[in-house]
Amino acid sequence: QQQVKQSPQSLIVQKGGISIINCAYENTAFDYFPWYQQFPGKGPALLIAIRPDVSEKKEGRFTISFNKSAKQFSLHIMDSQPGDSATYFCAASREDSSYKLIFGSGTRLLVRP
Amino acid sequence: DTGVSQDPRHKITKRGQNVTFRCDPISEHNRLYWYRQTLGQGPEFLTYFQNEAQLEKSRLLSDRFSAERPKGSFSTLEIQRTEQGDSAMYLCASSFLGSGNTIYFGEGSWLTVV
Repeated sequence: QQQVKQSPQSLIVQKGGISIINCAYENTAFDYFPWYQQFPGKGPALLIAIRPDVSEKKEGRFTISFNKSAKQFSLHIMDSQPGDSATYFCAASREDSSYKLIFGSGTRLLVRP
Repeated sequence: DTGVSQDPRHKITKRGQNVTFRCDPISEHNRLYWYRQTLGQGPEFLTYFQNEAQLEKSRLLSDRFSAERPKGSFSTLEIQRTEQGDSAMYLCASSFLGSGNTIYFGEGSWLTVV
């Protein structure tokens, strides 16, 4: 039973373009939605996170859009750079479940120069 | 470096052997998590500690797996009688109860069972 579904599996974007990664969740009790960035051989690093009481959060070139009614959220990377090439994971957690993270399956992003 | 530290970073072992991984969380972080990640997949939750108490274990954590966090500081994850299916990256993460729920991951410990 996959609680967080992520798409696409892979994404190729030209430098300067917008990268968009989507996630959908099933459990309406989730109350925290982070995105993690992972480079090969490294552990995941927190990129940006959102709570369901807001519809959008922006930090630099990274924006999360959140649609509570549709149970969907997405990551937008503006002005994508080759250094953004990595695997991105969305996740969800609940305060009453010790905030353990349920991860999506990941999106491999390649930004071409 | 004040991040989550894991040791060893890589371990190759023969099937049937026991292995132990160590995790040193960020100082003063009272929550510690273990995750397992296989190639091309997202991390999967294994177990969680708050201070020294192990509060939750995933069904993924078979009886060959045991985790401890003595004195609420570092943690160890032991796998007994390793199987080839145990080959994965084992990630440790920590957070501080009371400062929201930002979870920081270590670099992981790669296990290859041959």
